Amino acid sequence: KAGVTQTPRYLIKTRGQQVTLSCSPISGHRSVSWYQQTPGQGLQFLFEYFSETQRNKGNFPGRFSGRQFSNSRSEMNVSTLELGDSALYLCASSLDGTSVFRPYFGPGTRLTVT
Amino acid sequence: DQQVKQNSPSLSVQEGRISILNCDYTNSMFDYFLWYKKYPAEGPTFLISISSIKDKNEDGRFTVFLNKSAKHLSLHIVPSQPGDSAVYFCAASASGTYKYIFGTGTRLKVLA
Repeated sequence: KAGVTQTPRYLIKTRGQQVTLSCSPISGHRSVSWYQQTPGQGLQFLFEYFSETQRNKGNFPGRFSGRQFSNSRSEMNVSTLELGDSALYLCASSLDGTSVFRPYFGPGTRLTVT
Repeated sequence: DQQVKQNSPSLSVQEGRISILNCDYTNSMFDYFLWYKKYPAEGPTFLISISSIKDKNEDGRFTVFLNKSAKHLSLHIVPSQPGDSAVYFCAASASGTYKYIFGTGTRLKVLA
């Protein structure tokens, strides 16, 4: 079974631009989560989607948004990029995201904002 | 407010010895805990989990201990191998929140 795939793997953008990152979950997984990893900060939860519905959102500004499609694929968008948005963005999928769930992570998209 | 803390940023252990990685949490609603291992340029890889109804879970060389009264969990790796050198994250979740809170990670270096 193929793992979680994320595209692109690397991205360089300029301040003020916007960016869209894509995630394809493991086949059969319907829950997709997004996390941001920055040095010294661990992984910070962005949002979680299940059946095209956002069920939870982390403490990030409204510039960060996401969506999930009917085939469970997900995208996240960051508008008006800031230097501090430079990070590794990780997507994770799980069967249904219920109380006992184990997210499987993709390799991440490394975003650099200059 | 950091609800999950890994107070040791790094740890060095000799090959064959035990590695003990620690994690503390503050939210008593957390009822499921995971440990992940992460190599550079890769996503985190699941290692082992534990539910709040247990105090120990083993999987091969890896054992996780949970002390609910102290809000503390630890990961034991025995024996440690050079291939275990990576960053280890603990993560905690509360039922119905659909998210994990991660610690900041501990970099383990196993010396040959």
